[in-house]
Amino acid sequence: DSGVTQTPKHLITATGQRVTLRCSPRSGDLSVYWYQQSLDQGLQFLIHYYNGEERAKGNILERFSAQQFPDLHSELNLSSLELGDSALYFCASSLQRERGETQYFGPGTRLLVL
Amino acid sequence: GNSVTQMEGPVTLSEEAFLTINCTYTATGYPSLFWYVQYPGEGLQLLLKATKADDKGSNKGFEATYRKETTSFHLEKGSVQVSDSAVYFCALSEVNTGKLIFGQGTTLQVKP
Repeated sequence: DSGVTQTPKHLITATGQRVTLRCSPRSGDLSVYWYQQSLDQGLQFLIHYYNGEERAKGNILERFSAQQFPDLHSELNLSSLELGDSALYFCASSLQRERGETQYFGPGTRLLVL
Repeated sequence: GNSVTQMEGPVTLSEEAFLTINCTYTATGYPSLFWYVQYPGEGLQLLLKATKADDKGSNKGFEATYRKETTSFHLEKGSVQVSDSAVYFCALSEVNTGKLIFGQGTTLQVKP
């Protein structure tokens, strides 16, 4: 158990809908990273938050947004969902944002868009 | 840009065989390097890491050495077990952002 929690574990929804994925980092960790794992794209970095502020963006679509709250949990919002958004979404946390720090991954949220 | 390339899978071995999974990288600066493992239906777990050239990461019988001259971080284990069956990901931590860039993953199947 990494100490990172993600809810829900599974999500099934329809095209055009909006969903929110939630992540609670390990106790004391200030950084939260979001990644998407799909069969065709592999594991891709989406976005990084540190202590409530956005620090880096990756291949994140404009339909996707995220935020980190004062209690350090983070939410990833996916809107106008398309079939191709079906994937496993992971969050990871680390203590700060130093180079080479280990990121601890949650169990993921499996999203299926029908 | 930065990238990680892993050997194609799947890799199928008999129990107690020697394992090598090749990983090479392209990066600006001197990234930290990681191996993560993903068991079926689970998230990624850190297997080992190395933060500078010539460092050797090791855990649970797995080893990998950070080779700057060949830009490689190959994963090895002397004697695999059935329980090692999983998907293995090589990754680098980008120097400027800290984000992880992953290889495509290598599926290992160990047969009794």
